[in-house]
Amino acid sequence: GIQVEQSPPDLILQEGANSTLRCNFSDSVNNLQWFHQNPWGQLINLFYIPSGTKQNGRLSATTVATERYSLLYISSSQTTDSGVYFCAALEYGNKLVFGAGTILRVKS
Amino acid sequence: SQTIHQWPATLVQPVGSPLSLECTVEGTSNPNLYWYRQAAGRGLQLLFYSVGIGQISSEVPQNLSASRPQDRQFILSSKKLLLSDSGFYLCAWSRGTDQPQHFGDGTRLSIL
Repeated sequence: GIQVEQSPPDLILQEGANSTLRCNFSDSVNNLQWFHQNPWGQLINLFYIPSGTKQNGRLSATTVATERYSLLYISSSQTTDSGVYFCAALEYGNKLVFGAGTILRVKS
Repeated sequence: SQTIHQWPATLVQPVGSPLSLECTVEGTSNPNLYWYRQAAGRGLQLLFYSVGIGQISSEVPQNLSASRPQDRQFILSSKKLLLSDSGFYLCAWSRGTDQPQHFGDGTRLSIL
């Protein structure tokens, strides 16, 4: 099945800094999603981005499907951005395969 | 707008006891429904999905089962819980195949 790898596994930022999270996947995908899991465990949808670039406030994401990677950009980070960021690729119609996540800690 | 509800939020059960976790979706009809498990706070694994009433697909052989008695209701069950069933269980829905999936707030299950 498809493999999804995320980097870095852990990241500590000073408030206001920018960061880039990477997601590599081993095969072509029909669907790629980025999620933020907050300290309470809620999994928040950030982007549905099988290809191209999208922006939502301080967050943006780019997926280059032909090269099998996606990037999540966080600008001007805030302490509320802390948590775990997951990317997940749709292996076939209904199975999302998750990466191991990037644990982000933003310090004030 | 669509909403997804899971309950209970937390559950502590003894080994060997039965389990029933419920998930309901509002604001849409005939959704695809999913159960995922997250162990040790990293990475989710798909357990079951359903594309319609009474239709269940299992991804991982295990001690659990799923049922979909109504269009927007998805239930995760076990007859006898094992210690290894501990974890964080999340329900999700999508409009259909290849569509983005949206998650509930999860149930934290501890087995003693």
